[in-house]
Formats: sequence, structure tokens, C-alpha cells
Amino acid sequence: EPEVTQTPSHQVTQMGQEVILRCVPISNHLYFYWYRQILGQKVEFLVSFYNNEISEKSEIFDDQFSVERPDGSNFTLKIRSTKLEDSAMYFCASSETNNEQFFGPGTRLTVL
Amino acid sequence: KNEVEQSPQNLTAQEGEFITINCSYSVGISALHWLQQHPGGGIVSLFMLSSGKKKHGRLIATINIQEKHSSLHITASHPRDSAVYICAVHNTDKLIFGTGTRLQVFP
Repeated sequence: EPEVTQTPSHQVTQMGQEVILRCVPISNHLYFYWYRQILGQKVEFLVSFYNNEISEKSEIFDDQFSVERPDGSNFTLKIRSTKLEDSAMYFCASSETNNEQFFGPGTRLTVL
Repeated sequence: KNEVEQSPQNLTAQEGEFITINCSYSVGISALHWLQQHPGGGIVSLFMLSSGKKKHGRLIATINIQEKHSSLHITASHPRDSAVYICAVHNTDKLIFGTGTRLQVFP
């Protein structure tokens, strides 16, 4: 069964460093999403992406964040200068028709 | 006030019990999702509903659009059902999540 994959599973970085989180959505899906979950809190929407552009973003998704679909398979989330409060689990999701979303296993980001 | 409220926050049950988790929302939606999150963190979609009722094995999900309310029922609960169950509503191009209900089922 097709699935969304994410790499790495765990990323540790120093405050101020740039990180890139990678996702490979399901191959025929057209809608892509990033969410995050700070430890002990609920999942929060970051950004949705369709037709090579951002379709919606939350207040969390400020100028420090960017997304890209550099080729036909990968979907990346970049954090330019990480802060302590960026420590969270980051989930990628994809959808064929902006309905049911399929989630990846997540990347745990730890900022020291 | 949260746009998606779930109750209860925590739930313990004996194996075999009937479980109900409730979700209320205050925003316009195109669909409502029930998701399951296991201790490792992974999220699995259980149901997507825009009206009525859906059943999958021992799981049943219902939604009342007029009352902005949904319920997830688990019949004959089992210890392997222990997880966090999350209600999320589809609003424009995003999901808005509830805080989740932590369910523990004991043998």
C-alpha cells in the first residue's frame, strides 16, 4: 500500500541552524501539507501546497519557514534559523483531492 | 476558545466495554476526520465524514452537521485500541485538530 515517507526520523540541531525536513508524498497525490505537534500539545496546521504554490498558511508559518517541491517526488520544509520553540514533531501529509489526508510517520526535531 | 473540542480528555475502560468519544466544532467544515495516534507518534486516518454515519469493523463514526457534533464509538473495546483519538475538521485547505482523547483499555 502506498504511504507517505519522511526523513530523517529524528533531527537534532543547534539554535540558529537551518534544517530541511523531507517528505515523499504518495505518488498520484496533488495536495501536500505540513503540520507540527509540540510535545504534549495538539497537532497544528503549518501550510498547504497545491499546484506548486502555497494555498494556505498559518500564523506559525512566518518568514523563517519555507516549502518547496524541488522535483516530482519530494516535498520539503525548511526552517532557516531554528529556535528552541521549533522543537516538535513535524508531520507531512498528502491528499489526492484535498479530502482524506495520509500522514507520514513524522520527523522529531530537537533544537538545542 | 478552541475551534474543535473533544471530550473526554482521558478515558479508561475494561476490555469489552463500549466507548464513546465526542467532538464539537465551531467553524464551517467540508468534512470531519477521526484519527488515531499511537505512542510512537504516527497518525492514522480512521474515518472521513461529511454526513451521517460510517462503520469500519468495531469502529463507528457519526456526525450531526446541524449540531456541529460528531461521535466515535468503539464496540467491544480491546487493549490494542489504546491510543490517542483525534477529531480534526477540514476547513478550507487545512485540518484543525482537537486536543485528542487518550484511551486506555485494560484486560
